[in-house]
Amino acid sequence: QVQLQESGPGLVKPSQTLSLTCTVSGGSISNDSFYWTWIRQPAGKGLEWIGRIYTSGSTNYNPSLKSRVTISVDTSKNQFSLNLSSVTAADTAVYYCARVSITILGYGMDVWGQGTTVTVSS
Amino acid sequence: EIVLTQSPGTLSLSPGERATLSCRAGQSVSSTFLAWYQHKPGQAPRLLIYGASNRATGIPDRFSGSGSGTDFTLTISRLEPEDFAVYYCQLYGTSWTFGQGTKVEIK
Repeated sequence: QVQLQESGPGLVKPSQTLSLTCTVSGGSISNDSFYWTWIRQPAGKGLEWIGRIYTSGSTNYNPSLKSRVTISVDTSKNQFSLNLSSVTAADTAVYYCARVSITILGYGMDVWGQGTTVTVSS
Repeated sequence: EIVLTQSPGTLSLSPGERATLSCRAGQSVSSTFLAWYQHKPGQAPRLLIYGASNRATGIPDRFSGSGSGTDFTLTISRLEPEDFAVYYCQLYGTSWTFGQGTKVEIK
């Protein structure tokens, strides 16, 4: 059974870079039937898609965050990572990593990490 | 970027009642790329429906999705106590996006 686990600092200072890693266990991140993605939820607000990566390394980002976001994949470690630069208090949120299953019938984020809370504060 | 608008914002219902949630896209989209999620506080979201009408693994058949073009619907035929949560539609387009959510609360 595939599991995802986020890791990284829970506190980041304003203007610094938020860095999170998602470790995939129970399956290969190199499987071409999946995208790997990051989503966040600020307190009291809805879900916001951040970006996604394919095993080939191709990426796509939320236009509102694109100038500050980098998502990368390390197939040797079965991990993918999120870097969000120049953070402000508005980036305080629960951050989730998820797997997107690609099928002929449709796409869906079918496996999620438990989420990790990141607070931006000095 | 295509905007998804969900309605109503909050749905107040009793267990056993039928819930009908709407998701409207700003322009016509392929139903292949429309999904629904359930989200409870303190938990990760859960995939309910993918491809607009296909139930994900392990999802009870009281959950169903329908629609095409710009209008999509999630229906919960008979609400169970564990179904009270926030529901999001999501689109896999040029840019992926979530609707703002519908909260289904106990009346």
